[in-house]
Amino acid sequence: DTAVSQTPKYLVTQMGNDKSIKCEQNLGHDTMYWYKQDSKKFLKIMFSYNNKELIINETVPNRFSPKSPDKAHLNLHINSLELGDSAVYFCASSQGYGVGQPQHFGDGTRLSIL
Amino acid sequence: DAKTTQPTSMDCAEGRAANLPCNHSTISGNEYVYWYRQIHSQGPQYIIHGLKNNETNEMASLIITEDRKSSTLILPHATLRDTAVYYCIVRGSIDSGYALNFGKGTSLLVTP
Repeated sequence: DTAVSQTPKYLVTQMGNDKSIKCEQNLGHDTMYWYKQDSKKFLKIMFSYNNKELIINETVPNRFSPKSPDKAHLNLHINSLELGDSAVYFCASSQGYGVGQPQHFGDGTRLSIL
Repeated sequence: DAKTTQPTSMDCAEGRAANLPCNHSTISGNEYVYWYRQIHSQGPQYIIHGLKNNETNEMASLIITEDRKSSTLILPHATLRDTAVYYCIVRGSIDSGYALNFGKGTSLLVTP
């Protein structure tokens, strides 16, 4: 029973294409996140949603657009993909976004831009 | 959020306790100390967190010094499956929406 699941696990595509990554959590959490892990292995927050409302947008290019159709889903759509977008993208969720709430992560989507 | 300092890498023999240190000398009163780990090719895994008191769960123990300027994560009986990068994170800023700020972590190698 996967708590936070992302699809696809691997995504290989060409520069300029538009792609989406889906994330679903079955933990009943109301806060979800997207993180990016670059080639140097640094993990950085991109977006956070609480009850379908955006609460963090960390100066991510507007080619990246998160969409939360309901509390259990936070999808990431990327327009006009660039070489620098190659990375591993992780979705996470938590019960609220208070400091005492641990986040639970999916296994990542490995995006490679040709 | 306060910065953390961790050793780049550590080794531990299988079956022995692994003690991973973390310095967070600029931590403020409402900031929690979190530990996560990332096993190769997987997503980060929550281990434990604490504010002031020592904490223990089924995975590990967290020892926080009285002045809260440092902490130690203890894996009591390390196994080969504990080989991973361990991240110590101080979390507490509402400006960051309570996001996790991952540093470089400690790469722990558990050897047979």
